[in-house]
Amino acid sequence: DVKVTQSSRYLVKRTGEKVFLECVQDMDHENMFWYRQDPGLGLRLIYFSYDVKMKEKGDIPEGYSVSREKKERFSLILESASTNQTSMYLCASTLGDRGGEGQFFGPGTRLTVL
Amino acid sequence: GESVGLHLPTLSVQEGDNSIINCAYSNSASDYFIWYKQESGKGPQFIIDIRSNMDKRQGQRVTVLLNKTVKHLSLQIAATQPGDSAVYFCAENRGSNYQLIWGAGTKLIIKP
Repeated sequence: DVKVTQSSRYLVKRTGEKVFLECVQDMDHENMFWYRQDPGLGLRLIYFSYDVKMKEKGDIPEGYSVSREKKERFSLILESASTNQTSMYLCASTLGDRGGEGQFFGPGTRLTVL
Repeated sequence: GESVGLHLPTLSVQEGDNSIINCAYSNSASDYFIWYKQESGKGPQFIIDIRSNMDKRQGQRVTVLLNKTVKHLSLQIAATQPGDSAVYFCAENRGSNYQLIWGAGTKLIIKP
């Protein structure tokens, strides 16, 4: 089974702190994604990466950056955390084939910015 | 604009009955659709998918129906069980880079 892990389940940070969220997948997937999930808004794509060192902006990239130095790892960075970035953050990965079983998700990181 | 939405935010179903969760989409160019289930405290989990060249696809206890004429997608769960309690999301594929457009979700509640 595909396994996508995220470094923390819960995280509390202060406004202005730099925050790193780590995601690792063990199935050699090419594509990786970062979403945030807020009540009533569903999942919104922040960034995605289709290859090592490659990244593309999603729908809401402002205030975030990403890093993909290795195929299995995709990091989300909040350069200066703000309270409106309090949310559930979900990482996902998928094979390079558009068919199949869609995206595989990690358990999520619930980030609170005080 | 592009959007994927749900008709009902919450659905209550008697245990053992069939559940039908609906989803509307607006991008007629989308050709791949997926249903996900998200249980409390977990990430979304793939349930079933369907391509636009199909009208119906069946899995274990689940059926997805696609009506391209009215841009409507539904998920049917047969003999609903307590373990089916979750939020269900529909998502459509934009056609490039495997990005998905997500609906807001429907919460399915199972009554004993």
